[in-house]
Amino acid sequence: GENVEQHPSTLSVQEGDSAVIKCTYSDSASNYFPWYKQELGKGPQLIIDIRSNVGEKKDQRIAVTLNKTAKHFSLHITETQPEDSAVYFCAASTGNQFYFGTGTSLTVIP
Amino acid sequence: GAVVSQHPSRVICKSGTSVKIECRSLDFQATTMFWYRQFPKQSLMLMATSNEGSKATYEQGVEKDKFLINHASLTLSTLTVTSAHPEDSSFYICSARAGLGKLFFGSGTQLSVL
Repeated sequence: GENVEQHPSTLSVQEGDSAVIKCTYSDSASNYFPWYKQELGKGPQLIIDIRSNVGEKKDQRIAVTLNKTAKHFSLHITETQPEDSAVYFCAASTGNQFYFGTGTSLTVIP
Repeated sequence: GAVVSQHPSRVICKSGTSVKIECRSLDFQATTMFWYRQFPKQSLMLMATSNEGSKATYEQGVEKDKFLINHASLTLSTLTVTSAHPEDSSFYICSARAGLGKLFFGSGTQLSVL
């Protein structure tokens, strides 16, 4: 089955700096890669996603890149703000199932 | 994005009682819903896949007689924790697959069994 690895597990950045979270996947059949933000005591919220026919996607301060050949994808957050502090999960999907990374706890220091 | 409503958000019950958690897709129809369990500071652990009108598919190690899942309509799936014990205390989250295969999550239910 699919195996998704996510790094780093924890990340601290100064407010205004950029944050990058990286994930790798193993199944070349995966074709959809969403990212979720989870705040304490809440369910994950879809923040951005990318499909395998696209290499990069951007939405305001967040962007996702995908390298199909290397089987890795990354989340980039620019101009970080304290409200960006949360746990972020990547996922890979073949359409029927979703496989999640282990999460990255991001702390933005004011 | 699509909205998935999950209730209750928090429940405290006595050991031996049963607890029902509801998951509703409010603005779309979901033929497939998923139920997860999450321990503190850990990732999402898939418990079962719920398909409308058919029996749920449980992951290995998940007791289907203890965690009853019903997906009777295209907008509602329920998880019933039967004869709950303290070790069942956890954060339970549902999700539903919407258009274009996107997955949206409910807000989660914190279950505490005394």
